[in-house]
Amino acid sequence: ETGVTQTPRHLVMGMTNKKSLKCEQHLGHNAMYWYKQSAKKPLELMFVYNFKEQTENNSVPSRFSPECPNSSHLFLHLHTLQPEDSALYLCASSRLGGRDSPFLFSYEQYFGPGTRLTVT
Amino acid sequence: QQPVQSPQAVILREGEDAVINCSSSKALYSVHWYRQKHGEAPVFLMILLKGGEQKGHDKISASFNEKKQQSSLYLTASQLSYSGTYFCGTEIGNQFYFGTGTSLTVIP
Repeated sequence: ETGVTQTPRHLVMGMTNKKSLKCEQHLGHNAMYWYKQSAKKPLELMFVYNFKEQTENNSVPSRFSPECPNSSHLFLHLHTLQPEDSALYLCASSRLGGRDSPFLFSYEQYFGPGTRLTVT
Repeated sequence: QQPVQSPQAVILREGEDAVINCSSSKALYSVHWYRQKHGEAPVFLMILLKGGEQKGHDKISASFNEKKQQSSLYLTASQLSYSGTYFCGTEIGNQFYFGTGTSLTVIP
């Protein structure tokens, strides 16, 4: 247990469905992340939330919509996905450099177990 | 932008040593190292924030050569539990990129 939980652990959805992934961290961190891990590809950072503000989206398609209502919870809303979006979606959290810190990623990230998403 | 790791895969016998390299074409602000076992989430190993910094715990250590824009992870006297995929993570500008990964298998 890393202190980061994700639900659901497995999700199968059709291309016309709308679903949401949930992440919760119990570590008192102030930064949360969504990553995508596809087969035979490195982890890709999708979104970063720093003090509940989104700071990075790395040109992620708009069919992925993040939401961070507070520093402990993070959602990824999914709609009209494509089969190539099938992957393991990992949530992570960390402490973060202060607002004026030049180094945004100065602390270790704690990952949740992931949601295995299959788009049919 | 994504750092390149080498080797892509390595097989070791218990007790042997290994070195995994992580190289970037861009200046690095920090380097993280993680290990991911099959079917599990990545687990943090260590982070290096300064050029020239070296860290280690147990028999795993790492170095960060800022000028060469690379980092190396050293595993000595490998154990079966070291098996997994190792990723470096690098802060480049204000973005974070994981490396291509190195699959390490330790056999008895």
